[in-house]
Amino acid sequence: GNSVTQMEGPVTLSEEAFLTINCTYTATGYPSLFWYVQYPGEGLQLLLKATKADDKGSNKGFEATYRKETTSFHLEKGSVQVSDSAVYFCALSDPGQNFVFGPGTRLSVLP
Amino acid sequence: EAGVTQFPSHSVIEKGQTVTLRCDPISGHDNLYWYRRVMGKEIKFLLHFVKESKQDESGMPNNRFLAERTGGTYSTLKVQPAELEDSGVYFCASKGIGDSYEQYFGSGTRLTVT
Repeated sequence: GNSVTQMEGPVTLSEEAFLTINCTYTATGYPSLFWYVQYPGEGLQLLLKATKADDKGSNKGFEATYRKETTSFHLEKGSVQVSDSAVYFCALSDPGQNFVFGPGTRLSVLP
Repeated sequence: EAGVTQFPSHSVIEKGQTVTLRCDPISGHDNLYWYRRVMGKEIKFLLHFVKESKQDESGMPNNRFLAERTGGTYSTLKVQPAELEDSGVYFCASKGIGDSYEQYFGSGTRLTVT
């Protein structure tokens, strides 16, 4: 079955540092890939997505590229802010199917 | 437009008691999903409604869990009797017919069974 693996947290960075959160997946088909974010006290929000190989999703300074050859969808941001502190979930979905999520990575950004 | 609403936001109950979680999807969304995150692990799918019908309930852990969506609007998830391992965060999500992939999530209900 489909599965998602992401780097263990927590990740603690200083403001303006570069962020990478690794995500790899296993899928039998050609899924779409997503990053969701959960800020403290809030629900899951879609951060970005990519629906086919080599697509790059981007939002709020975050980027991730769908790499079929390495089955990866790593999340990056060039300069993190304190407001980026949250839990980040990598996920995949085949069309019409349910989401499969990774375990989440907690990010803390210190001023 | 109101988002997906879940309540309560927190619930603390004793082992053996009953708890009912509620989810109000975005108005007009036919698809409603329940997920849960246990012990900081991955978020796992529980079940999927299309209107009032259960489309897929393959993720329901056992028969202590009962989900309903009478009238195809809000949904409830009842746990009876609750066990310690049921503790976690229960998320609800909804999706419209035209949204091919994106599900809109609520803020979740944190359930603690003591």
